[in-house]
Amino acid sequence: NAGVTQTPKFRVLKTGQSMTLLCAQDMNHEYMYWYRQDPGMGLRLIHYSVGEGTTAKGEVPDGYNVSRLKKQNFLLGLESAAPSQTSVYFCASSYGPGTSTDTQYFGPGTRLTVL
Amino acid sequence: TQLLEQSPQFLSIQEGENLTVYCNSSSVFSSLQWYRQEPGEGPVLLVTVVTGGEVKKLKRLTFQFGDARKDSSLHITAAQPGDTGLYLCAGFNTNAGKSTFGDGTTLTVKP
Repeated sequence: NAGVTQTPKFRVLKTGQSMTLLCAQDMNHEYMYWYRQDPGMGLRLIHYSVGEGTTAKGEVPDGYNVSRLKKQNFLLGLESAAPSQTSVYFCASSYGPGTSTDTQYFGPGTRLTVL
Repeated sequence: TQLLEQSPQFLSIQEGENLTVYCNSSSVFSSLQWYRQEPGEGPVLLVTVVTGGEVKKLKRLTFQFGDARKDSSLHITAAQPGDTGLYLCAGFNTNAGKSTFGDGTTLTVKP
C-alpha cells in the first residue's frame, strides 16, 4: 500500500495564478483532511470530507476550495493564489471517528511558494 | 473552539538527557494522540491514550493522559539524536467529530 500520496511535492506560483493539489489514499478511508503548516503554528485544518461527495470547512477555509468526487481522492484548489498562502500543505485520511479515537495518516506534504 | 497548548515550543538538549513535553487544554478530550514529524515529512502517529490516568510506554518514550483527560505529557529518557523532530499532540472529541492539533514542540538532540 502506498498510503497517502500528494502531488506535486513542490510548486512556485505567481500571485493570482491558480492550481490544484491532489491527495490520494488507498486505505479505503472515509475521512480526508487538508491542513496547512506554517512555522510556529502547528497544523491548521483548511477543509475536510467525511465521505465521497461531501466537504466541510475547517479553521482556515478562505481562499481555498475542495472536491471529493471519488472516495480515494481529495483535491484542494487555490483559485487566485496570494503570498499569504505560501505554506506546506498536508493531506491526511482516517477511517473516521467511529469510536473514541481518530488516527490520521498523513501524506508527505506539498511545499507551495507564492511570489 | 478547543485549544491545545504545547510547551515548551522549542527544546535543545544534549544526547543522554531526559526531557518532558506538555500538552494542556481546558477542554476534555475523548482521546489524545502524539505524533512525531521529521523534516520534509508528514506527522506519524506515536501513541493514542484514551483512559484518564493512562500511561503508555514506547521504548524510551513514556506518555501519560491526565486524570481529567484535559492534558498529557511525553517524557523521553536518555534522548538520542534520532529523537530530533517536531512532536505534536492532537485531542479528539467524539461529539465534535474532529481532532485539534497543538502547535508542536521542536526537539533538537545534539550528539
